[in-house]
Amino acid sequence: AQRVTQPEKLLSVFKGAPVELKCNYSYSGSPELFWYVQYSRQRLQLLLRHISRESIKGFTADLNKGETSFHLKKPFAQEEDSAMYYCALKGGSEKLVFGKGTKLTVNP
Amino acid sequence: EAQVTQNPRYLITVTGKKLTVTCSQNMNHEYMSWYRQDPGLGLRQIYYSMNVEVTDKGDVPEGYKVSRKEKRNFPLILESPSPNQTSLYFCASSLRPGGSSGYTFGSGTRLTVV
Repeated sequence: AQRVTQPEKLLSVFKGAPVELKCNYSYSGSPELFWYVQYSRQRLQLLLRHISRESIKGFTADLNKGETSFHLKKPFAQEEDSAMYYCALKGGSEKLVFGKGTKLTVNP
Repeated sequence: EAQVTQNPRYLITVTGKKLTVTCSQNMNHEYMSWYRQDPGLGLRQIYYSMNVEVTDKGDVPEGYKVSRKEKRNFPLILESPSPNQTSLYFCASSLRPGGSSGYTFGSGTRLTVV
């Protein structure tokens, strides 16, 4: 079974501080992992995919197969990063499974 | 502009009154999906479609129907809505199955069933 766990419902940091949003997954094969972001009252947007190994808006995420994790990191948080963040997994089935999300608040 | 369009954005209805939420994409995507978003539960998949006339259940299909007669459209039908279907609904499309190329989401439909 595919499962995504985001252990923190809420995360609050100060502007300029590093931020890490945790994501752990359960899947026995080779997963495809994603981070989506939802700003207040807006649609979900794809933030990044692990296969792209890209950095978007200063965020990066590394797939750690040993720890089955795909944590999202940013060295210096900005107020405009405040949003809901969802980690998602696509395994062998034809669907994407989302975690329950982490609400990030960046305080001035 | 590449987009997924959902209508309506907001809907208040009464229990038992059939309704349809429309979803249309202009990217020629084969894969489309419906999700509901509830506080504390995240996004849960209702139905998905691999291509025209090919649909399958997601994790929470009870009380919903879908159809895919054309590639661009994927309406969500609630034959007899109930209050537990009050939620925020998102339609999404993807070039590749299961959203592996990344989903494009619609703006959402906030449904209230009283």
